[in-house]
Amino acid sequence: DTGVSQNPRHKITKRGQNVTFRCDPISEHNRLYWYRQTLGQGPEFLTYFQNEAQLEKSRLLSDRFSAERPKGSFSTLEIQRTEQGDSAMYLCASSRTSGGVIDTQYFGPGTRLTVL
Amino acid sequence: AQSVTQLDSQVPVFEEAPVELRCNYSSSVSVYLFWYVQYPNQGLQLLLKYLSGSTLVKGINGFEAEFNKSQTSFHLRKPSVHISDTAEYFCAVVAQKLVFGQGTRLTINP
Repeated sequence: DTGVSQNPRHKITKRGQNVTFRCDPISEHNRLYWYRQTLGQGPEFLTYFQNEAQLEKSRLLSDRFSAERPKGSFSTLEIQRTEQGDSAMYLCASSRTSGGVIDTQYFGPGTRLTVL
Repeated sequence: AQSVTQLDSQVPVFEEAPVELRCNYSSSVSVYLFWYVQYPNQGLQLLLKYLSGSTLVKGINGFEAEFNKSQTSFHLRKPSVHISDTAEYFCAVVAQKLVFGQGTRLTINP
């Protein structure tokens, strides 16, 4: 068990460019979550998957954002036409959940995005 | 809907002093509560959680928290802090997704 990993750890981009982040969850964790954290704030929920199905999306997830988990393992989060307001830490978490029982979410180190 | 309020944005304490970080929650469904710690430029690490059972929950690094249903609180405590406890602490309530408070920055002075 190597924990949740995220790549890249840091990304600097110019406004208007597209960026893609990757998250590899703990193996055999069926749920994967994306959160966004801006400076001085707590993380805010973006979306989550159970296996390959995207079950919930926050209103924060505008149409410029898209997340996928094609094989129920790793996930990607893409932001198109980035804006300066997208600058934040993007956190991924995973959990093993069955039968609706709440389980602990384990977080990755995050990807820090800076949009110039 | 669930929400969490962390009453203190910053808490400065001296090394070896006790500390309490306050958290109040609001939830219309069953309550599951977590405390996470975030060290600079890192992700979140679970300190402790309350799902059911005993209202006094012990976590890692000597931290503990008490679930108080009547006061809708889940305050985090440590009897004696160390310099290495300097970090941001987040209280969260969950129903599928985590809903976090704004965080409390704990600063330990030597």
